[in-house]
Amino acid sequence: DTGVSQDPRHKITKRGQNVTFRCDPISEHNRLYWYRQTLGQGPEFLTYFQNEAQLEKSRLLSDRFSAERPKGSFSTLEIQRTEQGDSAMYLCASGPTAGTTDTQYFGPGTRLTVL
Amino acid sequence: EDKVVQSPLSLVVHEGDTVTLNCSYEVTNFRSLLWYKQEKKAPTFLFMLTSSGIEKKSGRLSSILDKKELFSILNITATQTGDSAVYLCAVPNTNAGKSTFGDGTTLTVKP
Repeated sequence: DTGVSQDPRHKITKRGQNVTFRCDPISEHNRLYWYRQTLGQGPEFLTYFQNEAQLEKSRLLSDRFSAERPKGSFSTLEIQRTEQGDSAMYLCASGPTAGTTDTQYFGPGTRLTVL
Repeated sequence: EDKVVQSPLSLVVHEGDTVTLNCSYEVTNFRSLLWYKQEKKAPTFLFMLTSSGIEKKSGRLSSILDKKELFSILNITATQTGDSAVYLCAVPNTNAGKSTFGDGTTLTVKP
């Protein structure tokens, strides 16, 4: 068990560019979550997958943000036309089958800086 | 909308002190409450609470839930500098999907 991994760990981009982040969950986990966290705040929910199905997403994902988990394993989060307000830590978490435990295991995060 | 409020926002203590962190919640359908510790990286799991009045304990850390008054506390006894971190409280929704997090309590333990 290597834990949840995320790539890249840091990303600096210019406003208006598109960025894509990857998350590899713990292999036997079928739940996968994306959160965004800014300084002094708790993680803010973005979206949730159970296997390849995207079951929930926040209002944030209706516009420039999109997430996929095509084969029910790794997931990608894309932000189009980045804005300075998108600068944050993007956290991915995974968890075992719903109904066993609600615990989520977090990856190290991708820190995005938009210049 | 689900809401989680933590207090205090920050706390500074000396090694050996005991601290109590608070988490109150308002959710539509309560399922569980989780505590996480976040140092300069991603949150790590501490406790999951589902039943009122049953204390969960791990070393110097313990936590309890009150489903009638809608709050939980996290106690840390004999604090050490390594306990310095942000402590987050989270409540998942009914389907174990969206979790609502509080903004955390930043604990600083001075030697």
